[in-house]
Amino acid sequence: QVQPQQWGAGLLKPSETLSLTCAVYGESFSGYYWSWIRQPPGKGLEWIGEINYRGRINYNPSLKSRVTISVDTSKSQFSLKLNSLTAADTAVYYCARGMIWGPNDWGQGTLVTVSS
Amino acid sequence: DIQMTQSPSSLSASVGDRVTITCRASQGIRNDLGWYQQKPGKAPKRLIYAASSLQSGVPSRFSGSGSGTEFTLTISSLQPEDFATYYCLQHNTYPRSFGPGTKLEIK
Repeated sequence: QVQPQQWGAGLLKPSETLSLTCAVYGESFSGYYWSWIRQPPGKGLEWIGEINYRGRINYNPSLKSRVTISVDTSKSQFSLKLNSLTAADTAVYYCARGMIWGPNDWGQGTLVTVSS
Repeated sequence: DIQMTQSPSSLSASVGDRVTITCRASQGIRNDLGWYQQKPGKAPKRLIYAASSLQSGVPSRFSGSGSGTEFTLTISSLQPEDFATYYCLQHNTYPRSFGPGTKLEIK
């Protein structure tokens, strides 16, 4: 099973922008659905958004005004940006790859802490 | 948006027990549902896709059933490594949505 690799800053201040990147090395980027999911400490999973192999992007309406998902097919990478951060955005952020049946291959997770 | 609920929210059981977790969708989602297991500090792992198809490599004691609005995950004989939190995820409609989770603890 392939594990996507993800990276990005882990400690940010309120009002700053979160930026995370995810990649799967040695495999095709096309043909899959690529998702971002987060989990606040001690809480459940929240779907943030997804880009599919056709380049169509869908966001969670609760975050849509602050989130951007993009893809760089030349590097087989996709990224998440979330702006205007508050403490409520503190969470482990996961990238995940899947097909029509939902995400299957998950990244290792990145703890993002928003604190002044 | 589709709301997912799970019951119970927590469950105490013993090794060897048969356990069933239920997930309900606020509207019909055909069989567009997956079940995930998460252990502390780890990423979720998919056990079941398309409501009843066993993910490759997952032990056969795990099974899923259901269609439409009601789904179940059954563990036929609990093993020590099965104590974890379980989530359902609907991928029928955007936004995708997870159930709130069921924490399975050792009795």
